[in-house]
Amino acid sequence: DTEVTQTPKHLVMGMTNKKSLKCEQHMGHRAMYWYKQKAKKPPELMFVYSYEKLSINESVPSRFSPECPNSSLLNLHLHALQPEDSALYLCASSQESGKFGYTFGSGTRLTVV
Amino acid sequence: GENVGLHLPTLSVQEGDNSIINCAYSNSASDYFIWYKQESGKGPQFIIDIRSNMDKRQGQRVTVLLNKTVKHLSLQIAATQPGDSAVYFCAENGGGSNYKLTFGKGTLLTVNP
Repeated sequence: DTEVTQTPKHLVMGMTNKKSLKCEQHMGHRAMYWYKQKAKKPPELMFVYSYEKLSINESVPSRFSPECPNSSLLNLHLHALQPEDSALYLCASSQESGKFGYTFGSGTRLTVV
Repeated sequence: GENVGLHLPTLSVQEGDNSIINCAYSNSASDYFIWYKQESGKGPQFIIDIRSNMDKRQGQRVTVLLNKTVKHLSLQIAATQPGDSAVYFCAENGGGSNYKLTFGKGTLLTVNP
């Protein structure tokens, strides 16, 4: 299995809703990432987990809450989002060193209404 | 701060021609570079990577060149096909953190049949 699987593919949520994005990989990668991508822009790093521990938080607002239940799963919990948070949310994983095998999922297209 | 950027935001070529996409980076500590292809509605797809101890690497129809003296990276696509139409991003691992991948602005490649 050489894929990163993200669910759901599309999500529409209201500003008072609570939702979660899910990411799964079975490549044995020990680093997992969340990126945010706005239209016509490059992906921007949000969080990095290394060995199931949060190692990088790029000053992301607390309405985004990541969770890494185990080495294969990564969640992003969403609460009280704003319309400007609408974007494509990408999950990625890489081997321990971060030098090899960066693999991205297809993303979740999030719309906040 | 240091960033990775691209000279050309758009590139239009004829089918069968060779394409060259350029990328300038400013972080001299960067030691690993990746080219990604991103089609509409999809996540970034790995094309080819190169480490800073190399100046050239070839894949199937693609070649990456790295010039550390001028901090320049390029992606060459041979015999470009309509299926190559996409946005291409260069990304660099800055060396300071093994896990942080920073993307350049992206180039939209359009292949005309």
